[in-house]
Amino acid sequence: AQSVTQPDIHITVSEGASLELRCNYSYGATPYLFWYVQSPGQGLQLLLKYFSGDTLVQGIKGFEAEFKRSQSSFNLRKPSVHWSDAAEYFCAVGPGGGADGLTFGKGTHLIIQP
Amino acid sequence: DVKVTQSSRYLVKRTGEKVFLECVQDMDHENMFWYRQDPGLGLRLIYFSYDVKMKEKGDIPEGYSVSREKKERFSLILESASTNQTSMYLCASSPPARLAGEETQYFGPGTRLLVL
Repeated sequence: AQSVTQPDIHITVSEGASLELRCNYSYGATPYLFWYVQSPGQGLQLLLKYFSGDTLVQGIKGFEAEFKRSQSSFNLRKPSVHWSDAAEYFCAVGPGGGADGLTFGKGTHLIIQP
Repeated sequence: DVKVTQSSRYLVKRTGEKVFLECVQDMDHENMFWYRQDPGLGLRLIYFSYDVKMKEKGDIPEGYSVSREKKERFSLILESASTNQTSMYLCASSPPARLAGEETQYFGPGTRLLVL
């Protein structure tokens, strides 16, 4: 069965500092990988996704993620965080698209210090 | 832009009541999903549907049912609400996987349900 692990429940970063959120997955074939962000009281917004090709993926809001097959990881990065980045971040893995649901990690809560 | 709407942002119901959560998408997507989100547990798939009148169980279907009479609408039904169904419910939709890169799921704003 597929699974996603986000090892950090909470992360605190100073505004302007760099950020890396970790995501490890378990999946039997080539995964489809996603990062979503959820602001307080809101639904999930897609930040970026990886299906194939270049392993470094650019997303919205200045985020990027790198797929490393050898480490089964898909870590999210941002060079300089802003206070508005404070939110819950979810990594998810899919079975190859289409009608099956995604398997989500438990989320990482990002806190931005002034 | 894809728009997924959910009928209520907040809902309070009593134990034993029948509860309907409605989800509508405007992008003619074939696939629709219902998740529940709980602190420390992330999102868990309840049911999904890949066509009108079709439904498939997800990871935690017990205590829930669904209805998909029209392509744009996917309803989640709690036949007899219980306190352990207090949660945030998220609906999502996605196009079919005919085109690579088109499998992205788009989420609604969520319904926060409290069962007393």
